[in-house]
Parts: sequence; C-alpha cells; structure tokens
Amino acid sequence: AQSVTQLDSQVPVFEEAPVELRCNYSSSVSVYLFWYVQYPNQGLQLLLKYLSGSTLVESINGFEAEFNKSQTSFHLRKPSVHISDTAEYFCAVTQTFTDKLIFGTGTRLQVFP
Amino acid sequence: SAVISQKPSRDICQRGTSLTIQCQVDSQVTMMFWYRQQPGQSLTLIATANQGSEATYESGFVIDKFPISRPNLTFSTLTVSNMSPEDSSIYLCSVDPGTYTDTQYFGPGTRLTVL
Repeated sequence: AQSVTQLDSQVPVFEEAPVELRCNYSSSVSVYLFWYVQYPNQGLQLLLKYLSGSTLVESINGFEAEFNKSQTSFHLRKPSVHISDTAEYFCAVTQTFTDKLIFGTGTRLQVFP
Repeated sequence: SAVISQKPSRDICQRGTSLTIQCQVDSQVTMMFWYRQQPGQSLTLIATANQGSEATYESGFVIDKFPISRPNLTFSTLTVSNMSPEDSSIYLCSVDPGTYTDTQYFGPGTRLTVL
C-alpha cells in the first residue's frame, strides 16, 4: 500500500526567506507525485507534478520539487517566499496508470512580513 | 486542465437531513472523483464515478450514505444522506481530463456544516 508523509504540519517563515516543505512516500511500485496548494477557504490547485523525465519540476510561481527515488522523497522548495504563498500544501502520490490519489496530511506554510 | 464548479459552495444543515452536491465540468471527462476533507485534516477519496457504470466506493464509505450519480460526461452529484455532525466537512469533486494524464483537477469544494 502507498502512503505519504509530510513531516512538518506547520512551517513559519519570514517573507523573502527560502523554504522547504518535506514529503516522503512509500510505495513498492512506480508512482506519480504531486503537490497541491489550498489557499484559505478555497479548493485545491495543482502546483506541480512529476510523471516522468526530468526529476526537477517547476511551477509558474517559483516553486520547484525534485523527485529522489533512492530517498523516496519529493520535497518542495522556493528560494524566496511571498506573503501570498501562505496556504496549506499537500503532497500526493498515485500508482502509475491508476487514478487513486493518496494525500499527505498537509503542511501549513505561514509567511510573516 | 479543466474548469470545475460545485454547488452549493457551502451549506448549514440539520441532523437527519440529506444534501446533494453538484459538480459540473466544462469538458467531457471519463473519470470523476469525490473526496472528503474533514476539519483540519487531509483529503480522503470517497468514490470514483465513471459515466455509465456504478460508482466505486473506498473502504469506509457506502452507497447508502453517499449515493452518487453520473448521468453524463460533464456532471455528477454526491448526496450526503441522514447527516450527523460528523459529516461536517469540505466535499470536493475532481476530474482527470485526459487519457493517461494521471492528473486530477479539483473543484472549489462544498463546505458542509451539520448542526
């Protein structure tokens, strides 16, 4: 069975500082990996995904994540955060060619001025 | 991607009643999904709804409690039946818009409070 662990439930950070949100997964088969973001009182938005190819994937708003198969990790990073990045971030995994998404428990990123 | 809308966006209901949540997509999709997000928690898949077949429910969810309809390729409904305060959650639908895209896009959610 697959599982996703987000080690940090909350990450407080000052504006313009770098941030890393950690995600580890457990699976015995090939997987696809996703980061979703949920802004306050809104639904989930796809931030970025890894399906195949380059292990480093980027979003349009400056986030990046790197798939590390040996460490079974898919950590999310941003070199300089903005107040508007304050949100809940969910890491998710699905077995290749299936649609069942397994979500982590989420990390609340709080950016302070 | 796909543009997904849900109705209602929020509701407050009395114990013992039922609420039907609608999910509308701007394009035809084969696979639609319903999730529950309990307060302060992550998302849990309730069921997968494919057009033309019965919904497939995950462990812990049953059709009598969460009946689902999928009348066409752009629309689905989830009913939360005989509600109790424990059903207070955000309910989200999602779609996989393409063959083997293996990527789900989510609606804005329905915030349900049961008194």
